[in-house]
Amino acid sequence: DVVLTQTPSTLSATIGQSVSISCRSSQSLLDSAGNTYLYWYLQRPGQSPQLLIYLVSNLGSGVPNRFSGSGSGTDFTLKISGVEAEDLGVYYCMQATHAPPLTFGSGTKLEIK
Amino acid sequence: QVTLKESGPGILQPSQTLSLTCTFSGFSLSTYGMGVGWIRQPSGKGLEWLANIWWDDDKYYNPSLKNRLTISKDTSNNQAFLKITNVDTADTATYYCARIAGYGGLFAYWGQGTLVTVSS
Repeated sequence: DVVLTQTPSTLSATIGQSVSISCRSSQSLLDSAGNTYLYWYLQRPGQSPQLLIYLVSNLGSGVPNRFSGSGSGTDFTLKISGVEAEDLGVYYCMQATHAPPLTFGSGTKLEIK
Repeated sequence: QVTLKESGPGILQPSQTLSLTCTFSGFSLSTYGMGVGWIRQPSGKGLEWLANIWWDDDKYYNPSLKNRLTISKDTSNNQAFLKITNVDTADTATYYCARIAGYGGLFAYWGQGTLVTVSS
């Protein structure tokens, strides 16, 4: 199974600060057709996860453009340019290139200072 | 408007079979590219993917639980189902269903989740 390693596990930020979360895969997520199935989700406290980014860098519907995704191969990054209070929660990356199984990272908890 | 809602037994005993239902609206599982996935989350822990079912009845399971899982759908009634046999306390979790709209919309919409507790 593909293992996704997220760092850091916890992140503390002030409002307006820019932060990045790393997601490293145990193998390349580029498939033979040239697609990379890497996604980012945010789970706010007490809520269901929501899709932020799909296929590495595409913004989900209704997601603010302060969120951005980048990366290739085995290294991927989620960046929040100007954290807002509503961004607190746990961020998960997920891969679907080498599935089944789809696998999730262990999560990065974003706290607001 | 896309909505999904999970329902389940709440509590069941070890060795029983867990039956979950996902009732959805705003899309059809007979539409090309659509699907429903099941994901679970033990309290305070991370997400674990369980299974997907697609519009064409293609099914994919997590190999770590494959022998225990059965996913199915009722297109006419806009429902998807997941059964897990021989449950034990490790299956205690919140279970989510989520919509798939092609690989650009993988789990773009989630239900609120249903808590399942396995206890004797």
